[in-house]
Amino acid sequence: AQRVTQPEKLLSVFKGAPVELKCNYSYSGSPELFWYVQYSRQRLQLLLRHISRESIKGFTADLNKGETSFHLKKPFAQEEDSAMYYCALKGGATNKLIFGTGTLLAVQP
Amino acid sequence: GAGVSQSPRYKVAKRGQDVALRCDPISGHVSLFWYQQALGQGPEFLTYFQNEAQLDKSGLPSDRFFAERPEGSVSTLKIQRTQQEDSAVYLCASSNRWAGRTYNEQFFGPGTRLTVL
Repeated sequence: AQRVTQPEKLLSVFKGAPVELKCNYSYSGSPELFWYVQYSRQRLQLLLRHISRESIKGFTADLNKGETSFHLKKPFAQEEDSAMYYCALKGGATNKLIFGTGTLLAVQP
Repeated sequence: GAGVSQSPRYKVAKRGQDVALRCDPISGHVSLFWYQQALGQGPEFLTYFQNEAQLDKSGLPSDRFFAERPEGSVSTLKIQRTQQEDSAVYLCASSNRWAGRTYNEQFFGPGTRLTVL
């Protein structure tokens, strides 16, 4: 079965502290994984995708097929990073996305 | 440019009523997706259109849910005889690549929050 697990509902850190948002997946085949972010009162938007191997707003995520994980990391959190973060898996030929339940990141001043 | 728009933004329905939710995708986007997001959950896939063809409706929870995109642009999600468990945010997303080719980013609308009393 295709599934995405985000074990933390809430992650609270202080400004300047490192951040790691956990994501594990279950997928038979070669997975395509993404992180989406939803800032307060804004719509859901793509943050980064594993294929691009990019860093966006200081965030990176590495696909670890052995551990079936795609954790999102940032070395120094900023207050503007406070948002809801969803890990997502592309499922099947239609490009539909399978989302995790999300982690609310709260960066305290 | 204009993003994906959805209307209404909020809808309150009495149990048993029918509702219709509209999605205007980004102009020219061939792919359109509907997702349902219950409180405290991530979005869950409902159905997918490529132009006017509904190619995947595996996520529709019951035959009370029906979606259409007759001219390959605007889409409507209809829920008949609404139940309390239908209360959720309904998200629409569009992208401009054919399914099965290189994934292209899905752009999401603001959602319609449906509350069934």
